[in-house]
Amino acid sequence: GAVVSQHPSWVICKSGTSVKIECRSLDFQATTMFWYRQFPKQSLMLMATSNEGSKATYEQGVEKDKFLINHASLTLSTLTVTSAHPEDSSFYICSAKQAGLANEQFFGPGTRLTVL
Amino acid sequence: SQKIEQNSEALNIQEGKTATLTCNYTNYSPAYLQWYRQDPGRGPVFLLLIRENEKEKRKERLKVTFDTTLKQSLFHITASQPADSATYLCALDDTGGFKTIFGAGTRLFVKA
Repeated sequence: GAVVSQHPSWVICKSGTSVKIECRSLDFQATTMFWYRQFPKQSLMLMATSNEGSKATYEQGVEKDKFLINHASLTLSTLTVTSAHPEDSSFYICSAKQAGLANEQFFGPGTRLTVL
Repeated sequence: SQKIEQNSEALNIQEGKTATLTCNYTNYSPAYLQWYRQDPGRGPVFLLLIRENEKEKRKERLKVTFDTTLKQSLFHITASQPADSATYLCALDDTGGFKTIFGAGTRLFVKA
C-alpha cells in the first residue's frame, strides 16, 4: 500500500516550453502533497505544499507563476514548469501524506527534467 | 542559522559490519526525526521515525537513536549487505510538522 506514482519519469524539452508533471497517490487519499527538487548530490529542497482544493503554499524563493501547482483531487497533484529554461533542469520529486498518518511521507519515483 | 548536517563523505564498509551514520541539527526543535533511503535516480523511501521522547527505535537490522541534548541522531545498519548500498537521508519536522526538512544525505557503500 501507500504507493505514489509520477509521470513522466523523464522529459526533455526545449527552452521556453512548458512541462507538466503528474503525481498520483494510487491506493490512498492524500490530504497533502509536497513538491521537491533535487540537484545532484544535494538535499531535497521543498518547493511547495499543496492541499486538495486550495492554493499551494510556496517556499521562499520559489516563483509561483513559474511553477504552477494544481491539486484538484485527493489523489492527483500536478506541477507545471512554465517557460522552462536550462537552469530548471533538475530531479523533481513529489510526496504525499496519508490522512490519519500525519508524519510519514510517501515519495514518488521522481521526474528527471532536462531543458535544452 | 538552521542546519541539518550529514557526513558528506561516502562511508565504505565491509559486508557484515555495522554501518553508523550521523545526523546533527542546529536551531531546530523537532518533535520527531526520520530516516529515508534513496537509490540513484529514485525517490526516497521511508525507513524509520523516532520521536523526541524516544531514545532508540529498531526495525529488523536498523536502529536509530535520538539525543535531543546533543541534537543528534545516529542510524545503524547491523550485518550490512551490499544491497544496503544507497544514500541515507535524515529529515526532521519544522513548523509544527507541516514541513519536513532534509539533510543532504550520506552515501553508503557496502563491499562484498
